[in-house]
Amino acid sequence: GNSVTQMEGPVTLSEEAFLTINCTYTATGYPSLFWYVQYPGEGLQLLLKATKADDKGSNKGFEATYRKETTSFHLEKGSVQVSDSAVYFCAQQVSGGSYIPTFGRGTSLIVHP
Amino acid sequence: DTGVSQNPRHKITKRGQNVTFRCDPISEHNRLYWYRQTLGQGPEFLTYFQNEAQLEKSRLLSDRFSAERPKGSFSTLEIQRTEQGDSAMYLCASSPTGDVGQPQHFGDGTRLSIL
Repeated sequence: GNSVTQMEGPVTLSEEAFLTINCTYTATGYPSLFWYVQYPGEGLQLLLKATKADDKGSNKGFEATYRKETTSFHLEKGSVQVSDSAVYFCAQQVSGGSYIPTFGRGTSLIVHP
Repeated sequence: DTGVSQNPRHKITKRGQNVTFRCDPISEHNRLYWYRQTLGQGPEFLTYFQNEAQLEKSRLLSDRFSAERPKGSFSTLEIQRTEQGDSAMYLCASSPTGDVGQPQHFGDGTRLSIL
């Protein structure tokens, strides 16, 4: 079946530190991959995506590269800010009509000044 | 693009009562999805509509749950005879008909608390 595994949190960093949140997937097809971010009391927002192998998605200083050989889509940011504190979800969608995504459990990021 | 709107934002009710939530998707989006999210978990799929047709339902969706999208625009999710375990955030998302690379656009959810 399809699944997404994320590293457990919380991840606690100081401002300007380097961030990596690991994400791996298993899929029966050729998925598109997404990172979503959720701030307290809000729904999920798309952060970035990649739709084919070796594609790099990027947004607001965050990046992730679709690695088919390692079935991974790790999220990185070179210098985090306090405002990046949120929960980050990795997700995949496979073709088949409904495009229902499979989400990871989420990784909480806490950034201290 | 006014975004996905969900109402109410919060609902507190006693066990055994019925509740109904509403979702207004982005107007040009054909696809509408309902999810349930509990603390420390990712969204769990409940059901999916394309236009007014309900095309998929998760086995999580017991017979106490029903969803409609009567005119292919807004949708409602009703829970009958609520139970403690129904306490969760209920999220709605929409997306245009397209390809597997289309992301979902989420509302801010309805938080349900069962007393």
